Amino acid sequence: EAGVTQFPSHSVIEKGQTVTLRCDPISGHDNLYWYRRVMGKEIKFLLHFVKESKQDESGMPNNRFLAERTGGTYSTLKVQPAELEDSGVYFCASSLRTQDASPLHFGNGTRLTVT
Amino acid sequence: AQSVTQPDIHITVSEGASLELRCNYSYGATPYLFWYVQSPGQGLQLLLKYFSGDTLVQGIKGFEAEFKRSQSSFNLRKPSVHWSDAAEYFCAVSSVRGSNYKLTFGKGTLLTVNP
Repeated sequence: EAGVTQFPSHSVIEKGQTVTLRCDPISGHDNLYWYRRVMGKEIKFLLHFVKESKQDESGMPNNRFLAERTGGTYSTLKVQPAELEDSGVYFCASSLRTQDASPLHFGNGTRLTVT
Repeated sequence: AQSVTQPDIHITVSEGASLELRCNYSYGATPYLFWYVQSPGQGLQLLLKYFSGDTLVQGIKGFEAEFKRSQSSFNLRKPSVHWSDAAEYFCAVSSVRGSNYKLTFGKGTLLTVNP
C-alpha cells in the first residue's frame, strides 16, 4: 500500500507570504493528524481530523494556520502570513483508528523555511 | 501536563556494540508509550509500543524496550547495533488515555554508528 505522502518536501518562502502544505493519507484512513517540529524542539501535535471534521485542534499555534480536509481525503495546511518562527518540519500522519491497536503512519514531512 | 525527557541528545556507538537510549516520562496515569525512529530523509516509523501487560516489549529491527513504572522510564535497547540503525530516535507518550494519536514527544536522540 502507498504510504502517507506530503507535498512539497521543501519550501522556502519570505516572511509575510503564504504557503500551503498538502498531505495525502493512506487510502481508507479516516484519521489524519498534523505535527510540527521546530528546530531544536520537540515534535508537537497540531490537530486531528476524523474524515472531514476537526476532532482536536488544540495544538494549532494561532489563527495564521488553517487546516482543511476536503471530502475526508487529502488535507492542506495553510500558513498565512508566514512568520520566521513558523520554520520547521511539518509532519502528517494517518491511522485507521485512534485506539491503541492502530499505529500512526507518518509521511516524510515538509521542511518549511521562512526567511 | 505530561512530558517526555530524552537526556541524551547525541550518542555514538561502534557497529556491533550494544545500545541503550534513555527515556523518562511524566504522566499521571498508566502511560501509553512509544518509540519512533526517523532515518535521514524519511518519516517517523514506529519501532514499538507499550500499552499494558508484559513490561518488556519487542519491536521491529531487533529493538526492545522495558517499561519501569518505579523509575518512570521506557528505555530502548538493542544488543548489537548495525550501521543502518544510524538515525534519530524519539520516545513519546500518548496524551489521551486509550489513544495513540495525541503524542507528546521527547526532543530525540541522534544515533551515530561508527564502523
